Amino acid sequence: QKEVEQNSGPLSVPEGAIASLNCTYSDRVSQSFFWYRQYSGKSPELIMSIYSNGDKEDGRFTAQLNKASQYVSLLIRDSQPSDSATYLCAVRYSGMDSSYKLIFGSGTRLLVRP
Amino acid sequence: GAVVSQHPSRVICKSGTSVKIECRSLDFQATTMFWYRQFPKKSLMLMATSNEGSKATYEQGVEKDKFLINHASLTLSTLTVTSAHPEDSSFYICSASRGLPLNTGELFFGEGSRLTVL
Repeated sequence: QKEVEQNSGPLSVPEGAIASLNCTYSDRVSQSFFWYRQYSGKSPELIMSIYSNGDKEDGRFTAQLNKASQYVSLLIRDSQPSDSATYLCAVRYSGMDSSYKLIFGSGTRLLVRP
Repeated sequence: GAVVSQHPSRVICKSGTSVKIECRSLDFQATTMFWYRQFPKKSLMLMATSNEGSKATYEQGVEKDKFLINHASLTLSTLTVTSAHPEDSSFYICSASRGLPLNTGELFFGEGSRLTVL
């Protein structure tokens, strides 16, 4: 069974600090990884995608991927209260018939204290 | 990004009635759409994969006769909750990805539909 694991939190950080969110996945052959942000009562919004080992930076966000350890992380620099949300890690799994689907972790709730 | 529109955003119905939710990709063609369900403070649970012009593929434990999915065109998929019961009350979210060669696996989500069954 394909699994994506995240710590549910809440992760509480002060404004201006770095927030570090982690995710592990079970399927070694997965190639595509995503971080989504979801505000309460809203649908998920894509933050970052990463496909290769290493770091990928976009503004205040950095995604890190380590396929050997089956580990994905998201760093948020200079955290702002508006970053307070649930962050969902998603992993793309491919089927033998070229079908695919995105499996989500349970999400980590981030609270940025003013 | 790409725009996915979902309608209605909220629906309240009586037990035993059927409810249809529409999902449209507004600025791209989506050969595949996905339907998720989310309970309060829980993650997204994939219900089914909707393929244009063919039958949907349902995840284990999801009743295909209860959750009817139709993907009649490259921009529209519908989910019909038949004979709804209070336990079907949930947040239903559709998503779509661009067709190849632009398909990088990213999913773009609709606004979600909150169903309340009385």
